Amino acid sequence: SQTIHQWPATLVQPVGSPLSLECTVEGTSNPNLYWYRQAAGRGLQLLFYSVGIGQISSEVPQNLSASRPQDRQFILSSKKLLLSDSGFYLCAWSPTRDSRYGYTFGSGTRLTVV
Amino acid sequence: GNSVTQMEGPVTLSEEAFLTINCTYTATGYPSLFWYVQYPGEGLQLLLKATKADDKGSNKGFEATYRKETTSFHLEKGSVQVSDSAVYFCAPNTGTASKLTFGTGTRLQVTL
Repeated sequence: SQTIHQWPATLVQPVGSPLSLECTVEGTSNPNLYWYRQAAGRGLQLLFYSVGIGQISSEVPQNLSASRPQDRQFILSSKKLLLSDSGFYLCAWSPTRDSRYGYTFGSGTRLTVV
Repeated sequence: GNSVTQMEGPVTLSEEAFLTINCTYTATGYPSLFWYVQYPGEGLQLLLKATKADDKGSNKGFEATYRKETTSFHLEKGSVQVSDSAVYFCAPNTGTASKLTFGTGTRLQVTL
């Protein structure tokens, strides 16, 4: 069966520090991969999605970046965190290029920038 | 592009009350429709889905019917429990898109 792993679960980082969040998927190949952010009390904001290795689409201009170095690995990074980067970050995958079967989400990373 | 309108929350109900959370959407083509649930401190879980008109998705006592004529996918449950307290997201998808469009979410609070 397919599983998605996301870590760390909780992170407290100072302003200006770098960030690296990792997401891996097991039990499938060539998944679509997604990074979402959920600010406190708000809905989901799509940050990046990827349909293949090295293929990244950015939805929102910001100081975050994403990379997909391997088929089932998706990394969210920042060189210098801002206070506004605080939030709940969710990784997700879908098995088809058209997401017809919906997404499976990871358990999320709660990031607090202080 | 796709868009979703969900009723604003929070929705506060007593245990065993009837629940309806409205969702309407605009989308090109014939989207698949999804409801996701997010329990406190957790990621999103797929609650139910429907892939064509008049389909009814159901899970854990929740139901939603794909209404093509009204472009709606309202979530219902006949008798809510305290454990149903969560945020619920509606999301349509078209077959040609690589990403779902999520509604803003509706927070449900169920009290004893």
